[in-house]
Amino acid sequence: GQQVMQIPQYQHVQEGEDFTTYCNSSTTLSNIQWYKQRPGGHPVFLIQLVKSGEVKKQKRLTFQFGEAKKNSSLHITATQTTDVGTYFCASAIGGNMLTFGGGTRLMVKP
Amino acid sequence: NAGVTQTPKFQVLKTGQSMTLQCAQDMNHEYMSWYRQDPGMGLRLIHYSVGAGITDQGEVPNGYNVSRSTTEDFPLRLLSAAPSQTSVYFCASSFDRVNTEAFFGQGTRLTVV
Repeated sequence: GQQVMQIPQYQHVQEGEDFTTYCNSSTTLSNIQWYKQRPGGHPVFLIQLVKSGEVKKQKRLTFQFGEAKKNSSLHITATQTTDVGTYFCASAIGGNMLTFGGGTRLMVKP
Repeated sequence: NAGVTQTPKFQVLKTGQSMTLQCAQDMNHEYMSWYRQDPGMGLRLIHYSVGAGITDQGEVPNGYNVSRSTTEDFPLRLLSAAPSQTSVYFCASSFDRVNTEAFFGQGTRLTVV
């Protein structure tokens, strides 16, 4: 089963509202990656976090890695219709290949 | 630069049929992997390869075979298709195992009837 849990599974927001998705693991992660998949598309890499407590920003997107390196979040400020899609976190569990969370599907009402 | 190319994009199979999903990358990546995506389940790892001649099982390997005879190609074989294998399949490649981004192909939407 999934070793990286992601919540919520779905989120409807009004355009302009903020959005946050959370990624949690019971084990310490070496890193965390975030991907975005547009409807009908394929996952596209957004960012990687490696350090405890790390925060990175990409325009309206803010990514955080928890102090214990067991959780991460992606926050979008003032959502736009172009933000629609499914956001996945991923990490290497036990040194294996990437394990993905279940994803959060973001829907934005104009 | 094509990146990761998957064929076909769509496929319908009858139960019991076999087929091969093709994946090729032109980035000289050593690491390649196959995932399946089902609603609410995220991406689950089927098989992966860390280089030519080396493959290993992922989370959901049953019913699938892989081989890696060249760095560029990593085909996925369905031995005897079952309705439970209806899914979207993604091939991915990366420069190393976990510390660099994974590049995904466009996906193959497979329906088994």
